Amino acid sequence: AQSVTQLGSHVSVSEGALVLLRCNYSSSVPPYLFWYVQYPNQGLQLLLKYTSAATLVKGINGFEAEFKKSETSFHLTKPSAHMSDAAEYFCAVVLPGGGADGLTFGKGTHLIIQP
Amino acid sequence: SQTIHQWPATLVQPVGSPLSLECTVEGTSNPNLYWYRQAAGRGLQLLFYSVGIGQISSEVPQNLSASRPQDRQFILSSKKLLLSDSGFYLCAWSVGGGGYYGYTFGSGTRLTVV
Repeated sequence: AQSVTQLGSHVSVSEGALVLLRCNYSSSVPPYLFWYVQYPNQGLQLLLKYTSAATLVKGINGFEAEFKKSETSFHLTKPSAHMSDAAEYFCAVVLPGGGADGLTFGKGTHLIIQP
Repeated sequence: SQTIHQWPATLVQPVGSPLSLECTVEGTSNPNLYWYRQAAGRGLQLLFYSVGIGQISSEVPQNLSASRPQDRQFILSSKKLLLSDSGFYLCAWSVGGGGYYGYTFGSGTRLTVV
């Protein structure tokens, strides 16, 4: 079965600094990978997804992620953090062609932006 | 455009009481539907998914059940709530197979069992 590990339950960065949220996956075949953002008491909003096209994926709000098969990673980055980026971020995985299987999520990383 | 509705937004229920959470999708046909639960410090756990009317797959044995009486309606139920059922419940939908087109989530229901 596939799984996702997000390193760091909390990450704190200064406003304007680089944001790096780590995600490693375990899967029998190259999976589809997703990053979602959740603001307090709200649902999940899709930031970006990797579905076996370009390995560098650009998403909304200036975020991007790179699929690295050799490292089984899909880390999320943003060059310059903004106060509005403070939220919970989830990495998720699903196997291609897996029918209606739902996403398997990591435990999430809470991003804190210091002024 | 496709939208997904969940209600209620918040719910406080006593232990032993029944539960019914509803999710409806607009703007698409024959979606795959999902119920997730988010408990404090435990991430998101897939509870149920459905590929069609009356077709329910359970991922985790528990005190909850799900039903899909109509193509775009998904209901989460319990006959008797436990304290451990507290959490944030999210409904989601997708189309096609394998997640290629992504998954869209509702705004969630905060359930507190007291």
